[in-house]
Amino acid sequence: GENVEQHPSTLSVQEGDSAVIKCTYSDSASNYFPWYKQELGKRPQLIIDIRSNVGEKKDQRIAVTLNKTAKHFSLHITETQPEDSAVYFCAASKAGYSTLTFGKGTMLLVSP
Amino acid sequence: DSGVTQTPKHLITATGQRVTLRCSPRSGDLSVYWYQQSLDQGLQFLIHYYNGEERAKGNILERFSAQQFPDLHSELNLSSLELGDSALYFCASSVATSGASTDTQYFGPGTRLTVL
Repeated sequence: GENVEQHPSTLSVQEGDSAVIKCTYSDSASNYFPWYKQELGKRPQLIIDIRSNVGEKKDQRIAVTLNKTAKHFSLHITETQPEDSAVYFCAASKAGYSTLTFGKGTMLLVSP
Repeated sequence: DSGVTQTPKHLITATGQRVTLRCSPRSGDLSVYWYQQSLDQGLQFLIHYYNGEERAKGNILERFSAQQFPDLHSELNLSSLELGDSALYFCASSVATSGASTDTQYFGPGTRLTVL
């Protein structure tokens, strides 16, 4: 089955810096890659997703890039703010299946 | 608010007991997914139902079972509970099931289960 590796497990940045979280996946048939943000004790919330027919997608301060050849995708957050502090999960899914396989998560800490 | 509701919010029970967790999907969503989140295992997919039918199984124990009812709400039944079953249980819903692309999954607020 699919395996998703996520790095780093924790990331500390200063407010205003950029943060990058990387994920690799094992199944070359995967074609949908969402990112979820989870604040302590709350539900995971979708923040951005990308499908395999595009290489990059942006939404204000958040962007995701996908390299299908290398089977990895990354989340980029620019101009980080303290409210960006949370755990971020990447996931992968393939066509014909609805199951999401999640990475282990990255705890992002943004210091004022 | 994602539109997905789960009850109860918290559940405390003893080993060996049985509990039922309930999930109502967003209006119009036909698919319901159950996930278990523990500190050391992250988000683990348990099971997926589409319009009343089981569509996929993940790392779900035999002591656990689920169903989706005609009104599309779903229940996750956990029996013979063990200390290790303590976790956050999330359900998520999406519009449809498989096909050419995967639909976005929206998560409910979760049920925190504590087994003593």
